[in-house]
Amino acid sequence: GQNIDQPTEMTATEGAIVQINCTYQTSGFNGLFWYQQHAGEAPTFLSYNVLDGLEEKGRFSSFLSRSKGYSYLLLKELQMKDSASYLCAVRVNTNAGKSTFGDGTTLTVKP
Amino acid sequence: DTGVSQNPRHKITKRGQNVTFRCDPISEHNRLYWYRQTLGQGPEFLTYFQNEAQLEKSRLLSDRFSAERPKGSFSTLEIQRTEQGDSAMYLCASSTGTGFHEQFFGPGTRLTVL
Repeated sequence: GQNIDQPTEMTATEGAIVQINCTYQTSGFNGLFWYQQHAGEAPTFLSYNVLDGLEEKGRFSSFLSRSKGYSYLLLKELQMKDSASYLCAVRVNTNAGKSTFGDGTTLTVKP
Repeated sequence: DTGVSQNPRHKITKRGQNVTFRCDPISEHNRLYWYRQTLGQGPEFLTYFQNEAQLEKSRLLSDRFSAERPKGSFSTLEIQRTEQGDSAMYLCASSTGTGFHEQFFGPGTRLTVL
């Protein structure tokens, strides 16, 4: 199986930068996803990394180090609407395409 | 709206009853997934279809759970003899067979077993 660890909760201030870490232990790694989930809503896709390095997409960036089993999601210029749960998910089987999710990090953005 | 849809959105049932949920994926997506999510946890994989074939089923899924995707389009998830521990949000997601397979989730069906 896969072990995926994320901090349970984080708090940050509007306009600031926050980094949400994710570590994983798995064999046959084939990609890491970040999803955003607002309370009571379905997860929505944010980013995907399969090679080492940084992927930037607007205010959100995601980094991956496969050798360390480590990823982070970086959120810049935080807005109140960024308050949500952020889920790290690892894919290990290309044919199935299924992802194993961490329990999520609940981010609270304060004014 | 061409996103993933799920029905019903909410279901309250008594212990021991059977329930069935429906998922309509994005039309061009051939892959369909069912997940279960409880408060404070991430989505937990239940089963996966590629077209009409059920290719993987979680060993966590007891014999009371069954899923079908008869024509490779919509899917149904049935829970027989529901238990209080089945109370959760049931999420359906779909993806294409190309690219990096990001999954598009439906709004979920919240099941409460009394």
